[in-house]
Amino acid sequence: GDSVTQMEGPVTLSEEAFLTINCTYTATGYPSLFWYVQYPGEGLQLLLKATKADDKGSNKGFEATYRKETTSFHLEKGSVQVSDSAVYFCALRGDRGSTLGRLYFGRGTQLTVWP
Amino acid sequence: GAGVSQSPSNKVTEKGKDVELRCDPISGHTALYWYRQRLGQGLEFLIYFQGNSAPDKSGLPSDRFSAERTGESVSTLTIQRTQQEDSAVYLCASSFSGEGNQPQHFGDGTRLSIL
Repeated sequence: GDSVTQMEGPVTLSEEAFLTINCTYTATGYPSLFWYVQYPGEGLQLLLKATKADDKGSNKGFEATYRKETTSFHLEKGSVQVSDSAVYFCALRGDRGSTLGRLYFGRGTQLTVWP
Repeated sequence: GAGVSQSPSNKVTEKGKDVELRCDPISGHTALYWYRQRLGQGLEFLIYFQGNSAPDKSGLPSDRFSAERTGESVSTLTIQRTQQEDSAVYLCASSFSGEGNQPQHFGDGTRLSIL
């Protein structure tokens, strides 16, 4: 069945460091891919999305490219800030049948950025 | 505009009691979802409503769990005879439609604690 595998954290970086959080997926068909972020004490927010192969989602300096050949959707940011400290979730949503409704989430990666 | 609203934000109850959680989706969103997030884990799909179609209940963990939705508005998730393992944050989400490329927008959740 459909699933998402996300690198385990926690990830600890200094401010202005480069960030990569790996995400790979298993799915039939052509799923849509998402990154969600959960800041401390807040709800889950959509960070970015990509709905077809080679699409690049971007928001707040974060980017992720939908790579069908490697079934990946890695999250990157060139220069992290303390305010980026949060838990990041990779997710997919299928395009057919029983996979169409639900989001399949990775387990989440805790990012802490130190000044 | 208003986001997804959930109530109560926190609920503490004794083992064996019934609880009812409420979700108000974003106006105009036809699809509504419930997820559960246990401490330190990813999100677990529970149930999905899309318009007037029969709901996808495949994620409900036991027959103690049930959910209803009135038309395309409010939904309630009911847990009967609560157990300690039911302690979690229960998240509701809605999306504009059931299409796979539509992002799901999340409420802040109800934190349920079973004593």
